[in-house]
Amino acid sequence: DGGITQSPKYLFRKEGQNVTLSCEQNLNHDAMYWYRQDPGQGLRLIYYSQIVNDFQKGDIAEGYSVSREKKESFPLTVTSAQKNPTAFYLCASSMPPYEQYFGPGTRLTVT
Amino acid sequence: KQEVTQIPAALSVPEGENLVLNCSFTDSAIYNLQWFRQDPGKGLTSLLLIQSSQREQTSGRLNASLDKSSGRSTLYIAASQPGDSATYLCAVTGSQGNLIFGKGTKLSVKP
Repeated sequence: DGGITQSPKYLFRKEGQNVTLSCEQNLNHDAMYWYRQDPGQGLRLIYYSQIVNDFQKGDIAEGYSVSREKKESFPLTVTSAQKNPTAFYLCASSMPPYEQYFGPGTRLTVT
Repeated sequence: KQEVTQIPAALSVPEGENLVLNCSFTDSAIYNLQWFRQDPGKGLTSLLLIQSSQREQTSGRLNASLDKSSGRSTLYIAASQPGDSATYLCAVTGSQGNLIFGKGTKLSVKP
């Protein structure tokens, strides 16, 4: 089965802790993306990577970090510097002509 | 900066009606336009991708059109069913393959 997996589905953390969200794809896509979704808002781009060992900041990268050591994996770390980390996080991947496929999401709650 | 707007924000129709969802964007220099469906608490499911050189795409009861010059796309749903109830998101592809999203139209189809 080809697709994108995200884990965990739900994540609870205390304020001040860093947390890493997993995203794995077996679609052999070159590009991967992280988006954040808040109630009443559209999805906003956090980071993206078009090739292994390279990534770029999106519109709301502050307080987040990523790595792309393998083509299949694009983990996102939410650091303590992120002021409002509670949100629904979605990972996606694509190949040209850039039709994007999304994972099931991780809902992060920070208290 | 590209902005995507979806109208209406919410729509409630009786089962069997044909309906149109609207999407507009401010910069006509897009690569693609993609329509998604999102069920509550879930990831995004890609419905249709229209490449910039195309005018429309069809999949089953869904038909999406694209008019780049006027910055508009419509998603037409024929013979709506209660199972079509979801939030529909429109997104345009930027030069790096990243998506810029509208806030969505929440559709409710009543039996």
